[in-house]
Amino acid sequence: EAGVAQSPRYKIIEKRQSVAFWCNPISGHATLYWYQQILGQGPKLLIQFQNNGVVDDSQLPKDRFSAERLKGVDSTLKIQPAKLEDSAVYLCASSQGATQPQHFGDGTRLSIL
Amino acid sequence: GIQVEQSPPDLILQEGANSTLRCNFSDSVNNLQWFHQNPWGQLINLFYIPSGTKQNGRLSATTVATERYSLLYISSSQTTDSGVYFCAVERGAGSYQLTFGKGTKLSVIP
Repeated sequence: EAGVAQSPRYKIIEKRQSVAFWCNPISGHATLYWYQQILGQGPKLLIQFQNNGVVDDSQLPKDRFSAERLKGVDSTLKIQPAKLEDSAVYLCASSQGATQPQHFGDGTRLSIL
Repeated sequence: GIQVEQSPPDLILQEGANSTLRCNFSDSVNNLQWFHQNPWGQLINLFYIPSGTKQNGRLSATTVATERYSLLYISSSQTTDSGVYFCAVERGAGSYQLTFGKGTKLSVIP
């Protein structure tokens, strides 16, 4: 089966610019997650979707980050405006259900200048 | 929130050696997963193991939920085992958020 697809693989922007990431989960997976992984740390959950509804966005900085999963399949994560501390790898994961094993994409490495 | 501590933080092994990685967590959990992040950043799911023991080739894992720890065993290590090993737990009780530890960085040298 195809894995979780993410794009772009790398992105370099200047602070205060905006950026968007895209994720296509494994076919049939109802639950989708966005994580932020800062260098040297474990991933931190930003937002979790069940189909097209938000289950948990408690750690999403909502003043600058937004995410959507309109048709319950693909998802986009946006940052506007970006800050230097947003430099990280953004990982998308999916699972069949909320308590099932999570499978990760290759991530998008974001660098803010 | 729940705390996840992994040890050791760094480990260097000669190829062929065995190792044990430990994960302690501060509260009861519904779910525990072990991941391997390779040097290219890919995060691979190794085990989904809220309790008991599982084996997959040279890797095995044991979770003792009542004592709040999990162990990952790597036998006959290979250079391709290098990378960071993460333990992640899900609290349950309405929260499905996975909380990751800081990882154990493993380097296997020929």
